[in-house]
Amino acid sequence: DTAVSQTPKYLVTQMGNDKSIKCEQNLGHDTMYWYKQDSKKFLKIMFSYNNKELIINETVPNRFSPKSPDKAHLNLHINSLELGDSAVYFCASSQAESYGYTFGSGTRLTVV
Amino acid sequence: AQSVTQPDIHITVSEGASLELRCNYSYGATPYLFWYVQSPGQGLQLLLKYFSGDTLVQGIKGFEAEFKRSQSSFNLRKPSVHWSDAAEYFCAVGNPSGSARQLTFGSGTQLTVLP
Repeated sequence: DTAVSQTPKYLVTQMGNDKSIKCEQNLGHDTMYWYKQDSKKFLKIMFSYNNKELIINETVPNRFSPKSPDKAHLNLHINSLELGDSAVYFCASSQAESYGYTFGSGTRLTVV
Repeated sequence: AQSVTQPDIHITVSEGASLELRCNYSYGATPYLFWYVQSPGQGLQLLLKYFSGDTLVQGIKGFEAEFKRSQSSFNLRKPSVHWSDAAEYFCAVGNPSGSARQLTFGSGTQLTVLP
């Protein structure tokens, strides 16, 4: 069983479209994250949810909206996609006492 | 604010040689420290972590790292590199007093292993 699963793995779309990326974890962790990895492999946090509550919201365009229906799921919706949104998006989860992240395998988003 | 520096963008070693990847951090106290590995097209996998105690930490795949407070460093080492170790390696720091458990990542070091 995959611990943190993201779908889709690849996403190619045109500018201006709206798309969603889904993430689910079956580890029972209480916190989930979205990170963006740019073309230079730099990882930057976008959002963090703890028990369905938003606790980190870094400076990202408000076209990006996370949604956490329950503590096992954290989805990322992106409106009006732009060329600069092309990147790999990683979902991750962690539990209070362990602190280490478990990452999903990433979603490679390409905006054309 | 916490920050992480990985001075080496790319390192090439021969298979069987020893390896050291450098990581320096900036933080007011002792942070939580991590090393992750990312194989091509994959997510990040945790190699090892340091919270407190023994400054030499053992991880998976034969890796170890040493925390040196005086140098603000947490370098990753392996005595004998295997071809399968070729990947991108990320050092990360976390804030022990933070409620969000946010990790800040370095820019990564790409490891190439020559046969």
